[in-house]
Amino acid sequence: QVQLMESGGGLVKPGGSLRLSCTASGFSFSDYYMSWVRQAPGKGLEWVSSISFSGNTIYYADSVRGRFTISRDNTKNSLFLQMNSLRAEDTALYYCAKNEHFDNWGQGALVTVSS
Amino acid sequence: DVVMTQSPLSLPVTLGQPASISCRSSQSLVYSDGDTYLNWFQQRPGQSPRRLIYKVSNRDSGVPERFSGSGSDTDFTLKISRVEAEDVGVYYCMQGTHWPPTFGGGTKVEIK
Repeated sequence: QVQLMESGGGLVKPGGSLRLSCTASGFSFSDYYMSWVRQAPGKGLEWVSSISFSGNTIYYADSVRGRFTISRDNTKNSLFLQMNSLRAEDTALYYCAKNEHFDNWGQGALVTVSS
Repeated sequence: DVVMTQSPLSLPVTLGQPASISCRSSQSLVYSDGDTYLNWFQQRPGQSPRRLIYKVSNRDSGVPERFSGSGSDTDFTLKISRVEAEDVGVYYCMQGTHWPPTFGGGTKVEIK
């Protein structure tokens, strides 16, 4: 069965950086777009970024463009999100999701941006 | 961006009774290939979201038959024929027709 496992979350100061990872199993990783979706505490779902099969096509939400970078390593069935210049409003649970229609989700990685 | 508007915000339901959630989009969700990329997600308390319905009315694997989706163009509905205790949670609609993908604000289903 499809499994997605995020890691790399933590507490970081405003302006700091963090790199999230997502390890996938149970499907042919390189055949699917992959995405990141976040959920601020007590709030709804917000799409963050998506990446195509080979990484040639990338989309970002306006709220993170220029600060976050999505990437993937198909040889390791892994998805990444490099987050720079973090702000308090980036505090959220970050989910890795399979494809651009989010048919499977990981358990999430908590990112807290606070001084 | 396409705005997704859900109603109601909160939905108290009696066990065994039906429930209905509305989702409206600010523009048509019919894609150039003829499909309509409107999905529904369930998020139980303390859990990750789970997709229930894709392309308006197709149930994902393992989703009980009591869940059904309908609608077209800009107006969509998720129905639960008979609510069970395990259905408590927040339900989100989401459009994948236009970039960026956008979610509705969520509807909290609770038992009366």
